[in-house]
Parts: sequence; structure tokens; C-alpha cells
Amino acid sequence: AQKVTQAQTEISVVEKEDVTLDCVYETRDTTYYLFWYKQPPSGELVFLIRRNSFDEQNEISGRYSWNFQKSTSSFNFTITASQVVDSAVYFCALSEPYNTDKLIFGTGTRLQVFP
Amino acid sequence: GAVVSQHPSRVICKSGTSVKIECRSLDFQATTMFWYRQFPKQSLMLMATSNEGSKATYEQGVEKDKFLINHASLTLSTLTVTSAHPEDSSFYICSAVKTGGPEQYFGPGTRLTVT
Repeated sequence: AQKVTQAQTEISVVEKEDVTLDCVYETRDTTYYLFWYKQPPSGELVFLIRRNSFDEQNEISGRYSWNFQKSTSSFNFTITASQVVDSAVYFCALSEPYNTDKLIFGTGTRLQVFP
Repeated sequence: GAVVSQHPSRVICKSGTSVKIECRSLDFQATTMFWYRQFPKQSLMLMATSNEGSKATYEQGVEKDKFLINHASLTLSTLTVTSAHPEDSSFYICSAVKTGGPEQYFGPGTRLTVT
């Protein structure tokens, strides 16, 4: 069965700290996509990244970086030098097999960054 | 580009009435749109897949007669909650997939309160 686990329910950090949000997935498919979305208090989900299963290169975008490891079925997200504006709920998602448009979401990690 | 709007953003209705929520892709065409439901501090639960020009596909446990979905054009899908009850109160989010996908672009959500 396809599943996404975000074991960290809530994380609190102080501004400028680095923080890593964990995501572990299960799938029997060999072709799939992984995503991260940010949901700020306003509620609107913001797309952060998409990674396909054949691309294990790590990605960096400004203060954000992602570590995709197929060997451990993990797709972790690190925010470097966190800021108060990073406070949000972050969701990891996996595309369903045979229908890559459909997503399976993890339960989300609520990140609070204190000044 | 890739902006999705939802209307209304908030709605309060009385038990037994019906409420229609619109989801529009403003600057792209979307053959496929999705409707999600999110309870407070929980993840997104996929309710149905809306395909332009055909019947929606509902997830297991979602009552199709209660949650009517119409995808009449490549830029508009509507969700009608019929005979709403207090337990239907939730945050409803739509997403749209650009042709070629697979990124989903999410609307800002509609908060429904049934009194």
C-alpha cells in the first residue's frame, strides 16, 4: 500500500536555527513523484518541490534543501537559518501508482519558528 | 502563472441547505481538478477527482449524492454540498493539474460552517 509518514507532528525552533522535516514513504511502484507543500496559516497550499523517482540528486533552493534517498524511502526537507515566516504546516506527498496526478499526503508537520 | 481561485472563501449556512463552491484555474486549462477536505490540524483527505466533460470519481466513503461535482469547462469545477449538516463543516480545498502535469496547484480553500 502507498503511504506517507511524517513522524514529527510539531517542531519548534528559534529563528536562525536549521530544521529538518522528515518524510518516509512506502510504494510498490517504480515510477512515482514526491512533493513538498507548505500550508501557512492562511490555508493555501504552496508548492515547494517535485522530485521524480529516477532523480536522486539533492536539491537546494535558497534556504531550502531536499535529500531524497531511495534506499531508505525518505525525502527529507531542511530549512537553513529558519525565519518566522517559515512557520507553517508542511506536507509531504506521494503520487499514486498508475495515476501520477493523484496524491497521497502525509499528516503534516507543524513548524513554529520563534523570534 | 498557475493560479487557482475558490469562491467563496468562507460560507456559513443553515443545516439542510445546499452550498456551492467554485474552483477556477485562472491562467491555465485543467482537464483534472481535485477536491479535498481538511479537518482542523489534520491532513488533506481526497474526496473526488473531477474530470472535464465526464463524471467525477469519488473516493471510498464519500457520498456522491451529497457532494455533487460538476466540471463543465477546462477552467471551472464546482462542488455542491447538498443538505448540509454540521458535520460537513470543514475546510474544502480544490486543486488543478496543468495539462502535462503532474504538479497540482491549490486554491486558497473554502471554510464551510453549517449551523
